[in-house]
Amino acid sequence: DVKVTQSSRYLVKRTGEKVFLECVQDMDHENMFWYRQDPGLGLRLIYFSYDVKMKEKGDIPEGYSVSREKKERFSLILESASTNQTSMYLCASSPLEGMNTEAFFGQGTRLTVV
Amino acid sequence: AQKVTQAQTEISVVEKEDVTLDCVYETRDTTYYLFWYKQPPSGELVFLIRRNSFDEQNEISGRYSWNFQKSTSSFNFTITASQVVDSAVYFCALSEEIGSARQLTFGSGTQLTVLP
Repeated sequence: DVKVTQSSRYLVKRTGEKVFLECVQDMDHENMFWYRQDPGLGLRLIYFSYDVKMKEKGDIPEGYSVSREKKERFSLILESASTNQTSMYLCASSPLEGMNTEAFFGQGTRLTVV
Repeated sequence: AQKVTQAQTEISVVEKEDVTLDCVYETRDTTYYLFWYKQPPSGELVFLIRRNSFDEQNEISGRYSWNFQKSTSSFNFTITASQVVDSAVYFCALSEEIGSARQLTFGSGTQLTVLP
């Protein structure tokens, strides 16, 4: 079974802190995605990556960066956390043939910035 | 412009009623894929169905059915004889090519509540 694991289920950070959200997948998928989910807004794409060291901005990249040094790991970085980044963050992965195969999701990280 | 529109924010039905969740998408690609996901209260997204742009056949899986119409850019999802366990948020998603990558974009979701 495909497994996408996010390092934390719940996280509380202070404003201005640098925050790392980690995601690991075990199915050798090329594509990886970071979304944030907010009530009434659905899932909004922050960044995605289709290969090691490759990244593409999604719809809301401001305030975030990503790192993909290894194929199985995709990190989301909040350089200086702010309260408006309080949200549920979801990581997903899919094979390179991502258009004809579904994405698999992690369990989510609920981040609270105080 | 929003690429995937789920106009129904919340729907409430009584058990055993049929319910249809609407999804309208926008893309310039000729080859693209559409998905439906379910997010139960536990929070984890569960894949339900995938449909490619060349296959307009409707699909039925048990109480679930999907109606894909390219002419209206719609991919609607019907639950027949709804059950309380169907209560969840349902997301429609579009996979399309952006440069050399493939982007997966979700709609804002429809919260379905099935009352006993």
